[in-house]
Parts: sequence; structure tokens; C-alpha cells
Amino acid sequence: GIQVEQSPPDLILQEGANSTLRCNFSDSVNNLQWFHQNPWGQLINLFYIPSGTKQNGRLSATTVATERYSLLYISSSQTTDSGVYFCATNSLNNAGNMLTFGGGTRLMVKP
Amino acid sequence: SAVISQKPSRDICQRGTSLTIQCQVDSQVTMMFWYRQQPGQSLTLIATANQGSEATYESGFVIDKFPISRPNLTFSTLTVSNMSPEDSSIYLCSVEGRTSYEQYFGPGTRLTVT
Repeated sequence: GIQVEQSPPDLILQEGANSTLRCNFSDSVNNLQWFHQNPWGQLINLFYIPSGTKQNGRLSATTVATERYSLLYISSSQTTDSGVYFCATNSLNNAGNMLTFGGGTRLMVKP
Repeated sequence: SAVISQKPSRDICQRGTSLTIQCQVDSQVTMMFWYRQQPGQSLTLIATANQGSEATYESGFVIDKFPISRPNLTFSTLTVSNMSPEDSSIYLCSVEGRTSYEQYFGPGTRLTVT
């Protein structure tokens, strides 16, 4: 099946800093999602971005499907950005679409 | 996006017992998914549940251990049977979004087995 790798696995930032998280996938995909898991375990949808660039406030994401990677940019980081960031893409199983997750990037933003 | 709720939000259970987790969606959906997230790990799909048919399990997960019900288009349950400490995880349900490629997740059930 498809492999999804994220880097870096851990990241510590000072409040106000910018960062780039990377997601590589092993095969061609026609979709990609970015999630933020907050400290309570809730998975929050950030972007559905099969290709191109999207922006939402301080966050933006770019997927280059032909080169099999996606990037998540966090600008002017805040302590509330802390948590784990996952990218995930679809692959087909016997039941239809399933999400394959990367290993995540654990972000800590210090005040 | 759909509003998804799960019950219980957390539980502490004894080894050898079973726990049933409920997932309720505020709109009708064709497919519902159950994921497990072990401590410090990523999410792994347990099974896909379609209404009116048996759930489809991923490699490493079996129906006897994780029986699933899907009685209608807004509800599903996952049972974790004969629990051991290794079953301590967050269990999350999800549903498809506006496209079949997007998924939205419930708040999760944090299970600790002692």
C-alpha cells in the first residue's frame, strides 16, 4: 500500500516563529488532507488539498502531486498551535476509500 | 461538515472486559470508519462500516475482537472485546465529507485498560 512519511517528527518553536512541515507519499495520489490533533485528541481538519495551494489565516498548504509531496506552513506560531500535525491520503481497500496517515509531526510552541 | 459525537469520551476498564463505543452523526452518511490510535502513534484504520452490510476489516483486526454494528445511516458502534492493556488507545470514528476523499472525525474515545 501507499506509504506516507512526515518530517520532522518533532519540532519546538518559539512563539512568533515560522515553520514548514513536510509530507511525502510513495505513490501518485489524487487527494491529501492535513489535520491538527489538539492535546485532547480531537482531530481538526485543516486542509483538503489534492493539488495547488490553499491558505487559511496563518496556515497555508501546498501539494505538488507530480512530485509526491505536500507542505504545511505555519506563520507567526502561537502556543495554541501546539499538538500533532498529520497528513493523510486515500488509498483503496476492499470497502472503498481508506485514509493512510503519516507518522505525524509533534509541534510544541513555547511562549 | 457533519457533526460527530462519540460516547463515552473516556473510560478506564479492567482486563478481560468489553467496552462498546458509540458514534452518532447528525446527517446520513454511507460509510463510517473506525480508527485506533495507540499512545504516541499515528492512526490506523480498524474497519469500514457500511449500513446494511458487514464491516470490512483491515489486516490485523478481526471481527471477534472488534465487532461493529451499523444499524442505520447515522449510527455505528465499535466493541473492544476481552480487553488487555495493549488495547489502551484512542478510538475514533470518522465519516466521509463533501467528497468521498475527505473524512471528518469524532472527538475520540480514550480507553485505558488496567
